[in-house]
Formats: sequence, structure tokens, C-alpha cells
Amino acid sequence: ETGVTQTPRHLVMGMTNKKSLKCEQHLGHNAMYWYKQSAKKPLELMFVYSLEERVENNSVPSRFSPECPNSSHLFLHLHTLQPEDSALYLCASSQDPGQASGNTIYFGEGSWLTVV
Amino acid sequence: AQSVSQHNHHVILSEAASLELGCNYSYGGTVNLFWYVQYPGQHLQLLLKYFSGDPLVKGIKGFEAEFIKSKFSFNLRKPSVQWSDTAEYFCAVGQAGTALIFGKGTTLSVSS
Repeated sequence: ETGVTQTPRHLVMGMTNKKSLKCEQHLGHNAMYWYKQSAKKPLELMFVYSLEERVENNSVPSRFSPECPNSSHLFLHLHTLQPEDSALYLCASSQDPGQASGNTIYFGEGSWLTVV
Repeated sequence: AQSVSQHNHHVILSEAASLELGCNYSYGGTVNLFWYVQYPGQHLQLLLKYFSGDPLVKGIKGFEAEFIKSKFSFNLRKPSVQWSDTAEYFCAVGQAGTALIFGKGTTLSVSS
């Protein structure tokens, strides 16, 4: 148990579907993240939220749309994805968004997404 | 652009062998350095981290890493691996005001 819970754990969707990934953190952290983990590639930072405000967006296609309604919840809305978007999507949280104090990032178990 | 390089993609060792996984980064200035581990079927978890002080950092399960500023390196070591160390290992680097950047990961397979 990491304190960061992701649902669903597995998702298969067609290219025309709309779906959402959900993340909840029980650690009282102020920052939340979405990362994409693909085979043989580095973990890619997608979005960073600090106190519900997006502070970083690493040129992610608009077919991925994040939402952070409060500091404990983070969503990733998915629409008209491509097969190359199939990957493990990891949610994470930390006390603060930056690395000024070397604060640790805590990861969820991830949501396996397959786009067919 | 800032980057993190892990040179070993897949390492295969026998139990009791010594381990060293390389990590180099291309940042200038003050950095915070991390090693995360992902055991099969489990979430990513912190193994150890460095952000100041003694450059030799000890983590969980007998792992340690040494920060060598002049070489921009933060290599992970363990004197004697066990079968249960089979996992994927990620080096990550961050600076104040930015989120962590991860390397591609190194898969460690330990045979008993």
C-alpha cells in the first residue's frame, strides 16, 4: 500500500472511446503527477499539479486532459487515443512539486492502458 | 536538455555477485538524486536518495549509491545480490523548482 491509489488497474479502449483514469492520494501531499511508462523508454512526466493548479505540462497531446478537483484527486481524461498511447500510466504525489528539499515522490501501482 | 542516462539496459547476475548500476546526468548546478525500484507486479518505490551531505548514501535492503559530482554520476551498488533483488531500477534526478526526470531503467535478473 503506497498511499496512492489508481483505478482502473487495466483498461482497454478503442480509438474513438472516451475514458478516464482516476488517482487518489491519502498522504496529505500538495503535488500530484501523471507519468507515462512505455517499454524501453524513460518514465515520461506528463503533468504536474500543485494545490490543484497545473504547474507543468510537458507538451502532451490534447487527447490527454488532466483534471485536479482537489489536492487528493487527479484524473486523466482520455479521448481519441492512438495505439502508440498504450502504456502504463502512473500517478504520483509528493509534499511539494519541486525538488528544493529533495522530497520523495510516491507512486501508485499504475493503470495499464491498451488502445485498440 | 536535461537528461538522465542509465547505460545498462539488462543486467544478469548470480546470487552473491556484486552489483553496480550506472547513472549519469547532464544537469548543471545543485541536483537531488534518487534510485527507485520496481519489483515485478509492484509499484515504484524509493530505494535511496541524496540531496546534501555525505555523498555515499545508504538505502534499504543493503543498497548504497555514491554521488560523484565531478563525474555527474550516481551509481547504485550492492555487495551481494539476492534472488529477491530481481527488479527494474530507475535513476532519477531533480532540481529545485522542477519535477523529477527519470532514466530508462535497468532490469536486473538474479538467478539462484
